[in-house]
Amino acid sequence: EADIYQTPRYLVIGTGKKITLECSQTMGHDKMYWYQQDPGMELHLIHYSYGVNSTEKGDLSSESTVSRIRTEHFPLTLESARPSHTSQYLCASSESRGAGTEAFFGQGTRLTVV
Amino acid sequence: KNQVEQSPQSLIILEGKNCTLQCNYTVSPFSNLRWYKQDTGRGPVSLTIMTFSENTKSNGRYTATLDADTKQSSLHITASQLSDSASYICVVSDRGSTLGRLYFGRGTQLTVWP
Repeated sequence: EADIYQTPRYLVIGTGKKITLECSQTMGHDKMYWYQQDPGMELHLIHYSYGVNSTEKGDLSSESTVSRIRTEHFPLTLESARPSHTSQYLCASSESRGAGTEAFFGQGTRLTVV
Repeated sequence: KNQVEQSPQSLIILEGKNCTLQCNYTVSPFSNLRWYKQDTGRGPVSLTIMTFSENTKSNGRYTATLDADTKQSSLHITASQLSDSASYICVVSDRGSTLGRLYFGRGTQLTVWP
């Protein structure tokens, strides 16, 4: 069982609101990731982090921002939510090892912006 | 361009039957290939990992194969159960960067009917 947690699991919020999706892991992993997944589609990397104070944008452009002040915590923030942000957001973490490194995923946050 | 293609897109089988899911990839340089199972509304969970030198690996009723020459992998599910209904995602990792970038297929949506 992976020790990576996301809250909330479900969120319905109005347009223009600021939201923060929480992600925490207790495995001491240095790498953490945020993915966006629409129904029936593949996961797209939107942010990643190599460690504390390190954040990078992923392949898919996103208006969200992230921070990595502590190893175990990697929150994602949307300053002003829009209906186009409606999606499932998945957080993952992995160790810095070579071949065979496994990414562990949280349960996801399903965001609906109305 | 690094890509992961899965087939079929969806599959319906009767309980107790076997099935095989396919994955073709162009990711290079190749590090490893994982099959993940994603239940509806949840994060992906790893089933198997295949590295360059491995041809076959089993995990209970799941057997994965890898042909690194043709860049193809398959996931065979034996004696399917209702709980096997999920999306099965092929994920390939490269070793061309410190991130160990993960490339996701769109998944095969498997439905097992009683």
